[in-house]
Amino acid sequence: AQTVTQSQPEMSVQEAETVTLSCTYDTSESDYYLFWYKQPPSRQMILVIRQEAYKQQNATENRFSVNFQKAAKSFSLKISDSQLGDAAMYFCAYWARDDKIIFGKGTRLHILP
Amino acid sequence: ETGVTQTPRHLVMGMTNKKSLKCEQHLGHNAMYWYKQSAKKPLELMFVYNFKEQTENNSVPSRFSPECPNSSHLFLHLHTLQPEDSALYLCASSPEAVTYNTQYFGPGTRLTVL
Repeated sequence: AQTVTQSQPEMSVQEAETVTLSCTYDTSESDYYLFWYKQPPSRQMILVIRQEAYKQQNATENRFSVNFQKAAKSFSLKISDSQLGDAAMYFCAYWARDDKIIFGKGTRLHILP
Repeated sequence: ETGVTQTPRHLVMGMTNKKSLKCEQHLGHNAMYWYKQSAKKPLELMFVYNFKEQTENNSVPSRFSPECPNSSHLFLHLHTLQPEDSALYLCASSPEAVTYNTQYFGPGTRLTVL
């Protein structure tokens, strides 16, 4: 069965610094998507970034980028120039064709002023 | 509130009560989802509806009964729940229930079962 592992339950980073959240997954599929979702305190979960497994180029969205290592089944999220508004729970998710979406347990990110 | 709305935001119920959670999306999407979010556990997909048809039931106990009367509305009917069913229940929608679609989440209903 597919699994998604986020090994860091909590992390802290100084404002304006860079932080990397890790995510690994287990699958025998070759066609799938990977996502990072952000859930701020008492606010709705929103998509941060997504990556198609067939694309070798790492996805980027402004200050957010991923390091996608398909062979290693690793999908880390890098946040550059961290801001107070980045404080949230971050969930990594995996979704293969003809299968259900699977989320990790999440990483709580604290931004230190 | 635009996007995906959920009511009520908080619900306390006894084990013998019957209640319903409501989700409404204003995005013109055709797929809707129910998730259960418990503390220190991964977000669990419960049900998926695609064009009003249920396409996924992730082995959810029958005390949870979903209903999707149209593509904009999704309900979760609750009866004879257990204390371990206490959690945040999230609704989401997407253009279709396919892997490349972004899901848009509602704010959730915080359910407490006494």
